[in-house]
Amino acid sequence: QAGLTQPPSVSKGLRQTATLTCTGNSYNVGNQGAAWLQQHQGHPPKLLSSRNNNRPSDISERFSTSRSGNTTSLTITGLQPEDEADYYCSAWDSSLSAWVFGGGTKLTVL
Amino acid sequence: EGQVVESGGGLVQPGGSLRLSCAASGFTFSHYWSTWVRQAPGKGLEWVAIITQDGSEKFYVDSVKGRFTISRDNAENSLSLQMNSLRPEDTAVYYCGRDLFDIWGQGTMVTVSS
Repeated sequence: QAGLTQPPSVSKGLRQTATLTCTGNSYNVGNQGAAWLQQHQGHPPKLLSSRNNNRPSDISERFSTSRSGNTTSLTITGLQPEDEADYYCSAWDSSLSAWVFGGGTKLTVL
Repeated sequence: EGQVVESGGGLVQPGGSLRLSCAASGFTFSHYWSTWVRQAPGKGLEWVAIITQDGSEKFYVDSVKGRFTISRDNAENSLSLQMNSLRPEDTAVYYCGRDLFDIWGQGTMVTVSS
């Protein structure tokens, strides 16, 4: 089952803006939208945005998502040291009847 | 605030079996699809299986089809994953949750090794 495509790593400076991308196809991201998750080393993942673009109440407004065609993006503004983590996208694939994940992007805050 | 607690992990030899359990609380378990996701050491997240609210439909990643079985007991607010014919590549932390991915437990570690 093919997964979603994410860049392996992104590096940005403190207080800068990072945009992470996730590309799928018309059966998953393009049709169903994608969820975004954050995972710090040694901890379980945490939902940042649901596939309906809803942000949980405990997630900072610095995190926002958008979608264009088969690509979804997570934008993090005003980068903080605690934003350094792995970020995953995930979408339901209607052709596979399966959830697919991206390989994850490691965000480094310089 | 909902929560889930996974259990049942451990060390098992290749070809062996293990049954994982997940106890849910703080939300109406029967209203949601439930899922298992795993993460091999140093690797990314991999979806494993999902089951509909009433258990009538189940879907699996190709690599576990025919070996793993997901099930649920809505009366007990519990989710299970029966894993047979285990392989070294099944070694991972296994997480349970609902398909909104908004509730995660600490996971349970499964190690398949001789």
